Parts: sequence; C-alpha cells; structure tokens
Amino acid sequence: GPKVLQIPSHQIIDMGQMVTLNCDPVSNHLYFYWYKQILGQQMEFLVNFYNGKVMEKSKLFKDQFSVERPDGSYFTLKIQPTALEDSAVYFCASSFGGANTGQLYFGEGSKLTVL
Amino acid sequence: AQSVTQPDARVTVSEGASLQLRCKYSYSGTPYLFWYVQYPRQGLQLLLKYYSGDPVVQGVNGFEAEFSKSNSSFHLRKASVHWSDSAVYFCVLGSSSSFSKLVFGQGTSLSVVP
Repeated sequence: GPKVLQIPSHQIIDMGQMVTLNCDPVSNHLYFYWYKQILGQQMEFLVNFYNGKVMEKSKLFKDQFSVERPDGSYFTLKIQPTALEDSAVYFCASSFGGANTGQLYFGEGSKLTVL
Repeated sequence: AQSVTQPDARVTVSEGASLQLRCKYSYSGTPYLFWYVQYPRQGLQLLLKYYSGDPVVQGVNGFEAEFSKSNSSFHLRKASVHWSDSAVYFCVLGSSSSFSKLVFGQGTSLSVVP
C-alpha cells in the first residue's frame, strides 16, 4: 500500500543545534501532519499543513519549530534551536482528506535524541 | 477537553483465542473513532473507523469494534487471533471541532503466543 517515508530514522544532536526531519508523503495527498511521542507517553499532535500553510498547531509546536514543503518535495519539520525536551519520536503522516476522515498514512517515525 | 484512555498497556493472548482491547474516550461532542495498528518496523495503519450509524464496525483482518455512547467506549475485538496480530494498537479520537487533530490513546501492545 501507500507508504510515507521518514528520513532520518534516528538522529543524535547536541542541545542548541538545528535539526531537520524529512518526510516523503504519499504522492497525491494534500494534508500533512507531524505528531510527537515522548518515550512511554501518548502520541500528540503537533501541526497540520495544507496548501502551503499551517492549518492548525498545538501548544507543543513551539516558536522554535517550523514546517514547510518547498516545491512539493519533502515535508520538513525544523527545530532551531533544539532543547532537551525535544527528544522524542516524531511521526509524519499524510492524508488526501482531513484527519477526521481517519485515513492517515504514517511513517515509521524519526527518533530524535538531544544531548 | 478530549482524551482517550487505553487501560491495558500490554495484553498477551494465546493463538486462536478471542481478543478484546479496551478503549474509553472523553469528548462532549460527536466523536469520530478509529483504531490504528503499528506492526514492528512499520508506520501506523488504519484498522477501522466509526462515524455514526451501526455501533459495530468491521475492519480489516477480522477485527471489529463496538461504539457505546453510554459507556464512552470503543472496544476492539477479534474472534480468533493469529501470531501475526502481534503489534501495538492505538485507539484514536477525532472530532467535528477540529479538521486536522487526532487524539491518541497510549497504545496497547498485543503479544500472541503459541
């Protein structure tokens, strides 16, 4: 079936550095999402992106976070600067319709470790 | 506020036995409810969804779930599990108030043993 690819699968960086997480969504999908899962906790919504703009974001989507999808390529999550509490697994998802249609396709996650 | 609770972090069942994974939600409006599954080294996949109508919904691979408004529950069931059903199962809540946000339960890790 359709797949969402995430790169890298794991990244270790020092606090204060910048990191970019990349997501290759399903080709004809229009909506893109990032979710964050801290070890042992629930997956939590970060942001939704549609038509080149952030549609909705949560309180977890701090000012240090940004998303973009330049020229229909990767959908990226950038964190600059990183903090210790950013250590988590970040899941990218995409869908053709909105999230409440339920048909989201998720990647395997990018594990970020901030030292 | 919206929330989802899966009270069982881990469940172990024997192959061929029946299965129920529990899910309770909290939401004052009309819920959209989903079960997702994550197999090892894969992304989450949609198993089934409920919007309205018949409270028992059928999903892939013989899974079904039953919505109960009075109990605020959406339990997942399967009559006979197979070893390949071993995975992490997430109960998920969507709402009419948000087009883009889903609320996840903590997940239940299912192990099917011989």
